[in-house]
Amino acid sequence: DTEVTQTPKHLVMGMTNKKSLKCEQHMGHRAMYWYKQKAKKPPELMFVYSYEKLSINESVPSRFSPECPNSSLLNLHLHALQPEDSALYLCASRKIGSRDRENTEAFFGQGTRLTVV
Amino acid sequence: AQKITQTQPGMFVQEKEAVTLDCTYDTSDPSYGLFWYKQPSSGEMIFLIYQGSYDQQNATEGRYSLNFQKARKSANLVISASQLGDSAMYFCAMRGLGGSGGSNYKLTFGKGTLLTVNP
Repeated sequence: DTEVTQTPKHLVMGMTNKKSLKCEQHMGHRAMYWYKQKAKKPPELMFVYSYEKLSINESVPSRFSPECPNSSLLNLHLHALQPEDSALYLCASRKIGSRDRENTEAFFGQGTRLTVV
Repeated sequence: AQKITQTQPGMFVQEKEAVTLDCTYDTSDPSYGLFWYKQPSSGEMIFLIYQGSYDQQNATEGRYSLNFQKARKSANLVISASQLGDSAMYFCAMRGLGGSGGSNYKLTFGKGTLLTVNP
């Protein structure tokens, strides 16, 4: 199983709504990522979890709240979003290498296309 | 800090021909990995090929090969025998290796090159 599964695939929410994005992997990967991608732009890193602990927060507004309840699951809780937050949200996971030079590529999910109205 | 530069916003190639997508990089990490990903219009990022900064030989994966020139800090992707299904956005990315945390976890992407394969 080399899949990263993201749900939902599409989400439309109002600016006063609260919603959550879900990401799941069963590859035993202990690094998990949230990226935001606007149209025709590269993915921008939002958060990194390693061993279920938040290790990187790229100065993301507090209306985005990540959560890693276990080693297989990563959530992104959304509250009071703005229309400019509309984007493709990508989740990725990666095995943390046991040796310094060990390459471990990141596997990405298909993303959630979020529209804030 | 890490930086990836892809100078070709768009490229066109005829079916069955080879194409080279350019990528240059800059980093202060002594060891690093370079990755290429393909992103079709569906949105999923698909891993294609990896090159470690310590690797003596250029990486190859099927029709994909990576032309790695460390002194020039370039890691160009070569796609041989292009197929219509290769039409997609292609991203070059890098990550620090060794140590823990920081750049070792962060995957930095270039702006991407949109490849169109013509029949």
